[in-house]
Amino acid sequence: GENVEQHPSTLSVQEGDSAVIKCTYSDSASNYFPWYKQELGKRPQLIIDIRSNVGEKKDQRIAVTLNKTAKHFSLHITETQPEDSAVYFCATESTGFQKLVFGTGTRLLVSP
Amino acid sequence: DAGVTQSPTHLIKTRGQQVTLRCSPISGHKSVSWYQQVLGQGPQFIFQYYEKEERGRGNFPDRFSARQFPNYSSELNVNALLLGDSALYLCASSAGTGMNTGELFFGEGSRLTVL
Repeated sequence: GENVEQHPSTLSVQEGDSAVIKCTYSDSASNYFPWYKQELGKRPQLIIDIRSNVGEKKDQRIAVTLNKTAKHFSLHITETQPEDSAVYFCATESTGFQKLVFGTGTRLLVSP
Repeated sequence: DAGVTQSPTHLIKTRGQQVTLRCSPISGHKSVSWYQQVLGQGPQFIFQYYEKEERGRGNFPDRFSARQFPNYSSELNVNALLLGDSALYLCASSAGTGMNTGELFFGEGSRLTVL
């Protein structure tokens, strides 16, 4: 079945540093790759997504890169701020399967 | 605009009992999905409904069932509760149609504790 691995499980950075979270997936039919941010006790919220026909997408301090050949995609956060502290989940979706398969999450802590 | 609303927000049940969780999607969204999030893990897909029909089912036992109503709201039912059913149950709606879900908008969840 589908599998999404996410690394690292925890990531601590200083304010202003960059943070990178990586995910690998097994289903070659995956064509949609969203990233969700979940603050403690809150709902997951979409922060950025990318489709398989695009290699990179950027939105202000956040960017996502996709390598379909290697089956991995990454989230890049630049100039981190304390409010970026949260758990981040990657996910995949395959054509014809209306569900998201989530990674195990990365707890990001940004220290002032 | 109201987002996805879920009820109840918290509930405590004992083993063997049954529970019903409710979800109202964002106005105009016809697709509703249910996910289970165990503490420290990512959400796991349970069901997806579109236009009142089940479009997908995850790897959950038959104790889990769901339905979608004509107004696109949805209920998730879990029978014969086990301790392992303790989790945050997330409902998500989407404007997606056809083959892909599209962006999911999650509710705040219903936190179920089974004692």
